[in-house]
Amino acid sequence: GAGVSQSPSNKVTEKGKDVELRCDPISGHTALYWYRQRLGQGLEFLIYFQGNSAPDKSGLPSDRFSAERTGESVSTLTIQRTQQEDSAVYLCASSSPSYEQYFGPGTRLTVT
Amino acid sequence: GQQLNQSPQSMFIQEGEDVSMNCTSSSIFNTWLWYKQDPGEGPVLLIALYKAGELTSNGRLTAQFGITRKDSFLNISASIPSDVGIYFCAGRYIAAGNKLTFGGGTRVLVKP
Repeated sequence: GAGVSQSPSNKVTEKGKDVELRCDPISGHTALYWYRQRLGQGLEFLIYFQGNSAPDKSGLPSDRFSAERTGESVSTLTIQRTQQEDSAVYLCASSSPSYEQYFGPGTRLTVT
Repeated sequence: GQQLNQSPQSMFIQEGEDVSMNCTSSSIFNTWLWYKQDPGEGPVLLIALYKAGELTSNGRLTAQFGITRKDSFLNISASIPSDVGIYFCAGRYIAAGNKLTFGGGTRVLVKP
């Protein structure tokens, strides 16, 4: 299929380690979003990329979180020095102008 | 920031029943969206609403964008077992960019 894909699907890491989560958006989608979903809760916005514009980082919870996107392709969300409260599902979405966001299946991160 | 209150948090359905859920916001939105999330998957868009007062249907689903732009409801008619899942409302405010603010979700379960 041509949907949004994310990898890995599950990641278990030790507290203090860095992790990288990957998102492959739908081909041709200019916008890419990252959200965090804690257990039993709604999605929290983290960061948004639109074309070549500066990303909207207003949702990043701390400077341990960062994300990159090269052009209109793959994005990587990096969490440094992970803490137990970082345990959540990290969801990526992409969209094109005039269309709503399509979500990937998420990466379930567990920090032990 | 904007807050979305979604209710009920959970509900039990019996096949054939109509169900209803709603979201209210502390401030206005320009777009209201309703998503459904199945276990282990990302949210899937059900209905999008773009004008205050708009009433939109998608099969057995009907949603409305409140006149005040601070609320929306979703109705499911004649529920079937596959309606089980978590339903999220989400709002977008143009001045805040394309990021979405999500409600806490309504978990729909089957009556034992």
